Amino acid sequence: EIVLTQSPTTTAASPGEKVTITCLASSSVSNMYWYQQKSGASPKLLIYSTSSLASGVPDRFSGSGSGTSYSLTINTMEAEDAATYYCQQWSSNPLTFGSGTKLEIK
Amino acid sequence: QIQLVQSGPELKKPGESVKISCKASGYTFTDYAMHWVKQAPGKGLKWMGWINTYTGKPTYADDFKGRFVFSLEASASTANLQISNLKNEDTATYFCARGRFDYWGQGVMVTVSS
Repeated sequence: EIVLTQSPTTTAASPGEKVTITCLASSSVSNMYWYQQKSGASPKLLIYSTSSLASGVPDRFSGSGSGTSYSLTINTMEAEDAATYYCQQWSSNPLTFGSGTKLEIK
Repeated sequence: QIQLVQSGPELKKPGESVKISCKASGYTFTDYAMHWVKQAPGKGLKWMGWINTYTGKPTYADDFKGRFVFSLEASASTANLQISNLKNEDTATYFCARGRFDYWGQGVMVTVSS
């Protein structure tokens, strides 16, 4: 099973600040997916195939990476971006999620 | 518009069974697989497996083999998750998600308590 380790576990950013969340895979994966989950809501797909923006997602979000190291970047933090973010892979069975990064607004 | 609408919250006792539904609308049901994801209170997301909505074949993650059954009512564009012999650790919110994880149900909270 591929283990995805996210860092940081928790972080806070001021409006306008740049935020980067990292996801390290225990083995190489071909693609990474990123989700945003707000309190009490379902997860929402943000990024698919490592760097493609899902429909309706603001372009301040971006994804990058390869092999075992991937990242999600929010170019300019907004209050509505406060949420928990998860990475996910399915290059290898079983599909696995990272443990999540909680992002708060300062 | 595309929607996945799940059934309502459940309160069950240990040893009982529960069946959760996920009704799809706004697209051709059999064109996309359906995944099931568990989220225990305050915890992260755990993939349970998926069902091929065209053939009906289910695939279970290792931790969800035995007491968990994925099924379909294809004529009703509905996917179901049944959990038997419920345990306290089954207390969680259960989500369905369309094949590409681009659409998710609202989640069903299942509480197992004596």
